[in-house]
Amino acid sequence: AQSVTQLDSQVPVFEEAPVELRCNYSSSVSVYLFWYVQYPNQGLQLLLKYLSGSTLVKGINGFEAEFNKSQTSFHLRKPSVHISDTAEYFCAVSSNFNKFYFGSGTKLNVKP
Amino acid sequence: ETGVTQTPRHLVMGMTNKKSLKCEQHLGHNAMYWYKQSAKKPLELMFVYNFKEQTENNSVPSRFSPECPNSSHLFLHLHTLQPEDSALYLCASTSRGRDGDTGELFFGEGSRLTVL
Repeated sequence: AQSVTQLDSQVPVFEEAPVELRCNYSSSVSVYLFWYVQYPNQGLQLLLKYLSGSTLVKGINGFEAEFNKSQTSFHLRKPSVHISDTAEYFCAVSSNFNKFYFGSGTKLNVKP
Repeated sequence: ETGVTQTPRHLVMGMTNKKSLKCEQHLGHNAMYWYKQSAKKPLELMFVYNFKEQTENNSVPSRFSPECPNSSHLFLHLHTLQPEDSALYLCASTSRGRDGDTGELFFGEGSRLTVL
């Protein structure tokens, strides 16, 4: 089985500042990695995913993430955040596209 | 309108009630999931259905009973729940097998359950 750890439950940041949301995973087999975003009163939607190839993955809304196999990490970054990025972000892992394991989420609070 | 619709959006029930949550997907997917979302905890995978067959029961108590009559509909029947079962229940779907796996889950907006 796999597991995901998101160490930061909340990240406050000022508008236009850069942000990094951390994600570490545990697995005995190769995995695929995902970041999802959840806006208030909505379901989760996919931001980006790593399946294979380049370890730097670009997603929607200017977000990107880098897969680091040696550190078992998949941190999410954005060089300049907007108020509209305020949401909860979830990292997820899967080894077979059947079961997907999620972290506990990180609430990003962008302040003006 | 999202491709995955969950009803009801909010449900309050007593511990002796029987109720059901419904999920419907309009995306032509063949795999559907129930997740439980509680504050400050990882999303908990509850059940997985592939082509209407249950392929995963993640040690969920029997007071939760899933039903998948076809690839587009998924139910979660609730019976004699406990207050700690109060949570947001999320349904998701994805396409398995056909043209490869995209690995993307499509989520509904969730059903907020409160057990008194």
